[in-house]
Amino acid sequence: AQTVTQSQPEMSVQEAETVTLSCTYDTSESNYYLFWYKQPPSRQMILVIRQEAYKQQNATENRFSVNFQKAAKSFSLKISDSQLGDTAMYFCAFMAGNTGTASKLTFGTGTRLQVTL
Amino acid sequence: NAGVTQTPKFRILKIGQSMTLQCTQDMNHNYMYWYRQDPGMGLKLIYYSVGAGITDKGEVPNGYNVSRSTTEDFPLRLELAAPSQTSVYFCASTQWEGDGYTFGSGTRLTVV
Repeated sequence: AQTVTQSQPEMSVQEAETVTLSCTYDTSESNYYLFWYKQPPSRQMILVIRQEAYKQQNATENRFSVNFQKAAKSFSLKISDSQLGDTAMYFCAFMAGNTGTASKLTFGTGTRLQVTL
Repeated sequence: NAGVTQTPKFRILKIGQSMTLQCTQDMNHNYMYWYRQDPGMGLKLIYYSVGAGITDKGEVPNGYNVSRSTTEDFPLRLELAAPSQTSVYFCASTQWEGDGYTFGSGTRLTVV
């Protein structure tokens, strides 16, 4: 079974600054996908960024980028130029690939990010 | 496209009552899921389906039932509601694992 660990329950960052959210995972799978989801106060789950394990290049989406360290089983999210709208709960999630199962996502417990003026 | 639609958005149940949470998607996705979100616990998988007529248990299935008679619909039934089922429920779907999920907007359920 896979596990996802987010060790930072809460974080705070000033507007325009950079913040990094940590995520580690445990798996015996060789093919998998990793995701970061954002959940603002509206409760909607929004996909921020995804990483395919077989790709060495770190994924980037505008101000969001990841540091994927496969050997260390680490998948951190960096938010640059933080904005007030980035205030949300952030979830790291793991999905095994090509297993013949149902592409189930396993989530971490989340990090609550507060962006301040 | 509407994506994944969940109804209702909020509901209060009394202990022992039953209800069905509705979930519909219009993206022709084969895979559908129900998760519950408890404070500080992340999202836990209740049930999932890989296609019409096929369902299976997730991590926390006790007290729930599902059906998948069509590709579009995946309702979640709560029988004999208990306070432990107070939670936020999310329905999600996907067609391909690498895409991640499309989520509904959630249902906040309180059992009193």
